[in-house]
Amino acid sequence: DAGVIQSPRHEVTEMGQEVTLRCKPISGHNSLFWYRQTMMRGLELLIYFNNNVPIDDSGMPEDRFSAKMPNASFSTLKIQPSEPRDSAVYFCASSFRGSGELFFGEGSRLTVL
Amino acid sequence: DAKTTQPPSMDCAEGRAANLPCNHSTISGNEYVYWYRQIHSQGPQYIIHGLKNNETNEMASLIITEDRKSSTLILPHATLRDTAVYYCIVSPRSNDYKLSFGAGTTVTVRA
Repeated sequence: DAGVIQSPRHEVTEMGQEVTLRCKPISGHNSLFWYRQTMMRGLELLIYFNNNVPIDDSGMPEDRFSAKMPNASFSTLKIQPSEPRDSAVYFCASSFRGSGELFFGEGSRLTVL
Repeated sequence: DAKTTQPPSMDCAEGRAANLPCNHSTISGNEYVYWYRQIHSQGPQYIIHGLKNNETNEMASLIITEDRKSSTLILPHATLRDTAVYYCIVSPRSNDYKLSFGAGTTVTVRA
């Protein structure tokens, strides 16, 4: 089992550019999460999908952020336009709904200059 | 509004048991206690969870007090690879997507 796979692992971009982060959850899991981690704010839940449907996006900071899950094996988090304050490590996680056991990917480290 | 209180840091000796405390005095009857850890530069890793009974798995043991207001995570034989930030989280199982990771306890295992 390959675990949750995220790409890219590292992204450096300039302010104003579009950023797309990708996630492949563990096969069979029906819940997917996007988290953001910074030194100042710690780990924050951005959005949660269940059976490919966004259930709670209250953590998405603003309209510049959007997330999609077109099928059970793929999700994207897009930032357009990016800003320096978006610099963070973005984690994707998946689980069986209600298990409490989230499996996290290795994260995508984003730096916006 | 933090639901859990953990010491910011602690040290332990390699090969010894590490006992990580967590206070959750306002825990509700339907809330579980979850423990995760995050090794540097990696994603968080699930360790264990419980409701009111003590739990044990291959990684750790979870001891929950009878009044459920506090718990202790026990790493029976700490190794250098157990150096990490440990998060204690309380949440209803039906609402497990709302796991709120606080500051955690930074555990340093020393040789």
